[in-house]
Amino acid sequence: GQQLNQSPQSMFIQEGEDVSMNCTSSSIFNTWLWYKQDPGEGPVLLIALYKAGELTSNGRLTAQFGITRKDSFLNISASIPSDVGIYFCAGQPQGAQKLVFGQGTRLTINP
Amino acid sequence: GAVVSQHPSWVICKSGTSVKIECRSLDFQATTMFWYRQFPKQSLMLMATSNEGSKATYEQGVEKDKFLINHASLTLSTLTVTSAHPEDSSFYICSAKYLAGVGETQYFGPGTRLLVL
Repeated sequence: GQQLNQSPQSMFIQEGEDVSMNCTSSSIFNTWLWYKQDPGEGPVLLIALYKAGELTSNGRLTAQFGITRKDSFLNISASIPSDVGIYFCAGQPQGAQKLVFGQGTRLTINP
Repeated sequence: GAVVSQHPSWVICKSGTSVKIECRSLDFQATTMFWYRQFPKQSLMLMATSNEGSKATYEQGVEKDKFLINHASLTLSTLTVTSAHPEDSSFYICSAKYLAGVGETQYFGPGTRLLVL
């Protein structure tokens, strides 16, 4: 089946640093979504991308839909303690309703 | 953003009993909802796609007779874990499809933690 490779699996950074994570696939996706999940909670939508090449920001977060439609990245600038959590990318294949999820990136921030 | 609720947020039950979990889209109508299962430190695993007014579509390996799904209205889908056993203990999360104009996305509920004793 289709798979998304999300990297890195985990990150340990200092507060104030910038963060970058990405997802790649061998398949084309029509939609890329980025979610954040806190322990014991459901994922919260951060950014939705619908067009190849699209670059979208949400506060300190910026995400891009790769031009090949096979990859996406998420950047977080000037990290703060509340950014701690697990970030998931998700792609929606063409013609499908369901999402394919990456394995997640666990972000830990040292104050 | 769109809001999805789940009830209950956690449940403890005895082995052999059935448990029903509700998923509601509070401020939008959702023709399609999804049920996921998540094990500790793992990604989300899709169990089934729930379409309003029709039978759910189950992913390979998911027993449809054990995980009963009903999507009777545009704002409510239910997942019933029948004859629950300890191995069914997990974190169950639903999501609802939301049409955003330029495309569609999924909004997730807060999850239901099930513990079967």
